[in-house]
Amino acid sequence: AQTVTQSQPEMSVQEAETVTLSCTYDTSESDYYLFWYKQPPSRQMILVIRQEAYKQQNATENRFSVNFQKAAKSFSLKISDSQLGDAAMYFCAYRSANFGNEKLTFGTGTRLTIIP
Amino acid sequence: DAGVIQSPRHEVTEMGQEVTLRCKPISGHDYLFWYRQTMMRGLELLIYFNNNVPIDDSGMPEDRFSAKMPNASFSTLKIQPSEPRDSAVYFCASSSGTRVSGTDTQYFGPGTRLTVL
Repeated sequence: AQTVTQSQPEMSVQEAETVTLSCTYDTSESDYYLFWYKQPPSRQMILVIRQEAYKQQNATENRFSVNFQKAAKSFSLKISDSQLGDAAMYFCAYRSANFGNEKLTFGTGTRLTIIP
Repeated sequence: DAGVIQSPRHEVTEMGQEVTLRCKPISGHDYLFWYRQTMMRGLELLIYFNNNVPIDDSGMPEDRFSAKMPNASFSTLKIQPSEPRDSAVYFCASSSGTRVSGTDTQYFGPGTRLTVL
């Protein structure tokens, strides 16, 4: 079974600075997808970024980028120019690429605080 | 599109009562998921459907929980009888499952916060 580990329960960063959230996972599969979801106080789960394991290029979405290290099974999220609206719980998630296996496995989350 | 719609947003009930949570997926999505979020267990998948058929219900905690999807635009998660340990936020999510980049992403509803007294 796949597992996802987020070792940082809480992180804080000064507004406009850069922060990196860590995620590691364990799998025996060679093809899969990785995601970062954001959960603000409203509790809505919002997709931040997605990475296909077969792609060597790291995904980016505006101020959000990932550092995907397949051999190390590491998938960190970098938030540049942090804004107050980035304050939230961030969850890393794994999904198999096997067609029909749609289960998302989540980490325990990292609570990000933005310091004005 | 209005996104995934869940009702009610909040539910408070007494132990032993039946609880029904409802979900309307995004139109055109053929996968529907029910997740539960608690402090102790985090986010866990309970069950998911493909084209209204349950595919994996291994996460359903016990027989008190049941889920149905009578048509492509509606699903229910029922707890009968409810217990205090069922208190959690229940999320519904949907996706297209086509594996075209980005289109198989799961989109979540706002969740239902259930409190069982």
